[in-house]
Amino acid sequence: ETGVTQTPRHLVMGMTNKKSLKCEQHLGHNAMYWYKQSAKKPLELMFVYNFKEQTENNSVPSRFSPECPNSSHLFLHLHTLQPEDSALYLCASQEQGEGNQPQHFGDGTRLSIL
Amino acid sequence: GQNIDQPTEMTATEGAIVQINCTYQTSGFNGLFWYQQHAGEAPTFLSYNVLDGLEEKGRFSSFLSRSKGYSYLLLKELQMKDSASYLCAVRDPWDYKLSFGAGTTVTVRA
Repeated sequence: ETGVTQTPRHLVMGMTNKKSLKCEQHLGHNAMYWYKQSAKKPLELMFVYNFKEQTENNSVPSRFSPECPNSSHLFLHLHTLQPEDSALYLCASQEQGEGNQPQHFGDGTRLSIL
Repeated sequence: GQNIDQPTEMTATEGAIVQINCTYQTSGFNGLFWYQQHAGEAPTFLSYNVLDGLEEKGRFSSFLSRSKGYSYLLLKELQMKDSASYLCAVRDPWDYKLSFGAGTTVTVRA
């Protein structure tokens, strides 16, 4: 039990589909993150939310659309994805401003684009 | 930009010791984290260093030299369950974002 739950664990979709990834944190943290993890590459930060406000968008294509309705939930809406978007998408949460507190990760959603 | 380097793969024998090095060149520094990630699972926090020196936690230790931009993670008395990917990450002092290395896959053999 990591305290951060992601659903679904696996997702296969066509390039024209619309789907959403969900993340929920049970740790009372005030910041949440979306990362993309591709094989043999560093984790890429996609979006950051602090106190439900988006503070970072690392030049992510508009086919990825985040939503943070409250400090415990984070969504990533997907639309018209490309084959190169196939990857593991990780959600993380953190209590920002608390010194050495680490980010806590979910198990991720393995996304495959056909 | 941020540049964090670590070896791609390492192999060691059960019961042995393995040292995973991480070098970094970043625009700022507010601590270095090590995470362990088993295949198909979440990265889990192992250690944090912000001052120079060695931090020990059971079989795992982490070392930091800020002047050299260098850290290592030391795994002692290796067990089969230690086979995983180990991620090095540096935190930015202004926005607390983490910049990650590509990870080191450690394989423990019987």
